[in-house]
Amino acid sequence: SQQGEEDPQALSIQEGENATMNCSYKTSINNLQWYRQNSGRGLVHLILIRSNEREKHSGRLRVTLDTSKKSSSLLITASRAADTASYFCATDDTGANNLFFGTGTRLTVIP
Amino acid sequence: EAGVTQSPTHLIKTRGQQATLRCSPISGHTSVYWYQQALGLGLQFLLWYDEGEERNRGNFPPRFSGRQFPNYSSELNVNALELEDSALYLCASSLLQGNQPQHFGDGTRLSIL
Repeated sequence: SQQGEEDPQALSIQEGENATMNCSYKTSINNLQWYRQNSGRGLVHLILIRSNEREKHSGRLRVTLDTSKKSSSLLITASRAADTASYFCATDDTGANNLFFGTGTRLTVIP
Repeated sequence: EAGVTQSPTHLIKTRGQQATLRCSPISGHTSVYWYQQALGLGLQFLLWYDEGEERNRGNFPPRFSGRQFPNYSSELNVNALELEDSALYLCASSLLQGNQPQHFGDGTRLSIL
């Protein structure tokens, strides 16, 4: 299976703390994307990092990519209760646009 | 700008029936993707359409099929429904060019009784 894995499966933190989620994948990629999913709803795109990039920022989000280790991390700084959601990494398919998703990290931010 | 819309929100069927799910992409997007999110199995890729053609297919049986219309909207059809087809079906759209984010609808919750 090309599905990636995320670590940890669940994370619970206090509001204001930072949250770090990790993603590992198996094949070579063109890009890696991070998505958020609120309970039972669609996914919201957070950030896309290309294979030739090592770090990318968007607001309170910081994503790193290490293609030699086939891994990525998502850091959410100064977390808020509204950040409570599941977070998924996704990689593109070889020669195709469709995505393979990781298993997800369930983040709970306690007010 | 309107996002990706999916209908119906919920669909209840019984085993052996057929289900049709619909998706309208963001204006200007030609690519439409279907994913299945079943409990315990995570998000799995089903189908990718662009310009009316099937571009790629995930590891699903042939009773999962679909099409894309000239206005780029899409249908997912599931024949001979089985209990394990119960899942949230998500549609996404994007531009065709590589390295593009995909934008998702809120999904159709399909329940098989």
